[in-house]
Formats: sequence, structure tokens, C-alpha cells
Amino acid sequence: GAVVSQHPSWVICKSGTSVKIECRSLDFQATTMFWYRQFPKQSLMLMATSNEGSKATYEQGVEKDKFLINHASLTLSTLTVTSAHPEDSSFYICSARPKLTSGRGYTGELFFGEGSRLTVL
Amino acid sequence: AQKITQTQPGMFVQEKEAVTLDCTYDTSDPSYGLFWYKQPSSGEMIFLIYQGSYDQQNATEGRYSLNFQKARKSANLVISASQLGDSAMYFCAMRGVSGYSTLTFGKGTMLLVSP
Repeated sequence: GAVVSQHPSWVICKSGTSVKIECRSLDFQATTMFWYRQFPKQSLMLMATSNEGSKATYEQGVEKDKFLINHASLTLSTLTVTSAHPEDSSFYICSARPKLTSGRGYTGELFFGEGSRLTVL
Repeated sequence: AQKITQTQPGMFVQEKEAVTLDCTYDTSDPSYGLFWYKQPSSGEMIFLIYQGSYDQQNATEGRYSLNFQKARKSANLVISASQLGDSAMYFCAMRGVSGYSTLTFGKGTMLLVSP
């Protein structure tokens, strides 16, 4: 259980084009999804937090007009990199927080997608 | 604010030996949670183990155990009987008081297991 699928796994695009990355929770509902960016051999940098049905909350320094996030349903969030440039090349990874259906304490564990490697030429 | 520090950029271990990956943290929250994730070269983040700040015993999951020393604010990961498949990047992370707070990640430690 608790599988998160991210698509595409890798994408190469030309500078100036837009790229959409999907993050789906396959066997659970996710009230909140997180988008991270990771440069080679570095840690995960939180870009934004998206809650189903509301606007995403962006971390300081992340351009919301550049990185459009939509969380239209409890199982799908999308990240669109608009007018991509070579400096946007990176590994993008999403994670999902499950919607709790019981009163048990929640540890805070997040379930991660496989990541998407974006290369902008 | 929360801070996670992993001081070992890389670690080498021979197959079948045990290895300890260091993690120290800083927080002002009265309760918190600590996690370890594994990231192989393929990129996905794999959850390994969780320790709550009020848990009386150190967490264990198979070959993974967490050496939690609250007074020292450390949460080291111990991998027993290393396997070649353990070669990966390992991240220590923590969340604040609520299970709904965001995770803060350390910079990671690259573990290489040799035959």
C-alpha cells in the first residue's frame, strides 16, 4: 500500500517550452502533496505544499508563476514548469501525506514518488 | 526552526559489516518525529525507520535500528550486516510537533558497500 506514482520519470525539452509532471497517489487519498527539487548530490529542497482544492503554498524564493502547482483531486497533483530554461534542469520529486481515516496517531511519514528528471536544452 | 545535520558526506563499509550513519538535530518543539529515508541511484525515496521523541525504546526495523539519544539530540541509523544493495544516499529528516508539519531533511550521507 501507499504507492505514489510520478510521471514522466525523465523528460528532455527545449528551452522556452513548458513541462508538466504528474504525481498520483495510487491506493490512498492524499490531502496534502509536497513538491521538492533536488540538485545532484544535494538534499531535497521543498518548493511548495499543495492541499486539495486550494492554492499551493510556495517556499521563499520559489517563483509561483514559474512553477505552477495544481492539486485538483485527492489523488493527483501536477507541477508545470513554465517557459523552462537550462537552469531549471533538476530532479523533481513529490511526496504525499495520506488522508487519515482512523483516530490513530499519525507519525508524519510521507510517501514519495519515483521522481522526474528534467533536462532543458 | 528545525535543523538536521549529517556530518558524513560519504561512508564506506564492507559487506556483512555494521555501519552507523550520524544524524544530529536541533529543534525547540516539545515533541517531534525523526525519520530515515534511503535514496538509491534510481531516485525514489524509501522510508526506513521512524522514531517519535517520546518513544521509550529505540526503533528497529529488520536490519535497521535507530540509536536515539535525546539528551545529545542525535538519531543515528545503524545498519547491521550490510548488503551490496544498501549502497545509496541516506537522509535523516524530522518533523515538528504535529504529524502534519513538514519534513526537514539533512544533506545526506552516501553509503558505499563493497564486496
